[in-house]
Amino acid sequence: SYVLTQPPSVSVAPGQTARLTCGGDNIGRKSVHWYQQKPGQAPAVVVYDDSDRPSRVPERYSGSNSGNSATLTISRVEAGDEADYYCQVWDSSSGQWVFGGGTKLTV
Amino acid sequence: EEQLVESGGGLVQPGGSLRLSCGGSGIRISDYEVNWVRQAPGKGLEWISYISGSGSKTYYADSVKGRFTISRDNAKKSVSLQMNSLRGDDTALYYCARGPSSSSLLWFDYWGQGVLVTVSS
Repeated sequence: SYVLTQPPSVSVAPGQTARLTCGGDNIGRKSVHWYQQKPGQAPAVVVYDDSDRPSRVPERYSGSNSGNSATLTISRVEAGDEADYYCQVWDSSSGQWVFGGGTKLTV
Repeated sequence: EEQLVESGGGLVQPGGSLRLSCGGSGIRISDYEVNWVRQAPGKGLEWISYISGSGSKTYYADSVKGRFTISRDNAKKSVSLQMNSLRGDDTALYYCARGPSSSSLLWFDYWGQGVLVTVSS
């Protein structure tokens, strides 16, 4: 089955840029979605289809996807960005949604 | 507030059964694809099941295939997850999550707050 690999944790200072990666075999050929989950809350999509943002999500959030890695970039990081972030793809070969293990962003 | 609402969770013994339901509050789920995703305590997200808007397509994670069954009643505006032969590693917070289309397997745009399932003797 398809595997998505995320670093368990990323730490960044306020105002800096956080880059969260999601690795998978030829992930560039798939659409990648990113979810943010804050403690005690349900996940919420922050980037879908590699690089699109829901209107409620700040422009500071952006995504890219190529080759074997997708990246969620958060610019000018704020304390409120501290959360767990999960990448997701649809694996058509197995007929299953796949989540990465998640990255805890510490600000 | 637009949200999904899960119900039916609780404590069940190993080998037992439980039926979860998901409905919409302020949003429609009829004719939209719906998924169940679970999260064990302190762990990451695990997708477990999908049903298309019409109910004609269903998919399952390997971990629950043959034990869980997803279904929907669009007239009643609900999606259910029948869970049989429950095991300790099924203990988790179970979320229902809606996709923004009927069957295009897009991202999950609305999530419920989750319902807790505890499997223990």
